[in-house]
Amino acid sequence: KAGVTQTPRYLIKTRGQQVTLSCSPISGHRSVSWYQQTPGQGLQFLFEYFSETQRNKGNFPGRFSGRQFSNSRSEMNVSTLELGDSALYLCASSLADRGMNTEAFFGQGTRLTVV
Amino acid sequence: DQQVKQNSPSLSVQEGRISILNCDYTNSMFDYFLWYKKYPAEGPTFLISISSIKDKNEDGRFTVFLNKSAKHLSLHIVPSQPGDSAVYFCAARYSSASKIIFGSGTRLSIRP
Repeated sequence: KAGVTQTPRYLIKTRGQQVTLSCSPISGHRSVSWYQQTPGQGLQFLFEYFSETQRNKGNFPGRFSGRQFSNSRSEMNVSTLELGDSALYLCASSLADRGMNTEAFFGQGTRLTVV
Repeated sequence: DQQVKQNSPSLSVQEGRISILNCDYTNSMFDYFLWYKKYPAEGPTFLISISSIKDKNEDGRFTVFLNKSAKHLSLHIVPSQPGDSAVYFCAARYSSASKIIFGSGTRLSIRP
């Protein structure tokens, strides 16, 4: 069974540009969550999608957005990039329907560097 | 407001000894807790979990203890091995939602 796949693995962008990151969850998983990890910080929750609907949202500005497709693949978009957006962006998939205690499985992440 | 706290950013333990990683939480609505292990340049890997109806869960060398009254959980690794050197994240969620809240992590170093 293939794991969570994130593309690209590495990305360098310039301030002011926008970027789109992609995540393919484990087959059968309908929930996809996105996290940001910066040095010294834990994993900061961005948002979660379930069956193409955003179900949870963290405390990030509107420049961060996402979507999920009918095949459960998800994309995350960051517009008007700032230097502080440089981070490891992690995607996690799970079966997680409400009421279920299940773990999330992470991809290897996309390392975004904004210069 | 940090709902899941790991107050020790780093921990060094001798190989063969017990490693104890601690985690505190503030939200009494959390009822499912997880530990993840992370190597550099990789995504976190699920290690072990515990439901709030239990106070202990064991899986091989790894045991998680939950003290609900103190809102505290700990991960015990016995015996510690060099491959255990990594960053360990404590996490918590509600059973009615899938959002997982992570702590800031503890870097565990196993010395020979």
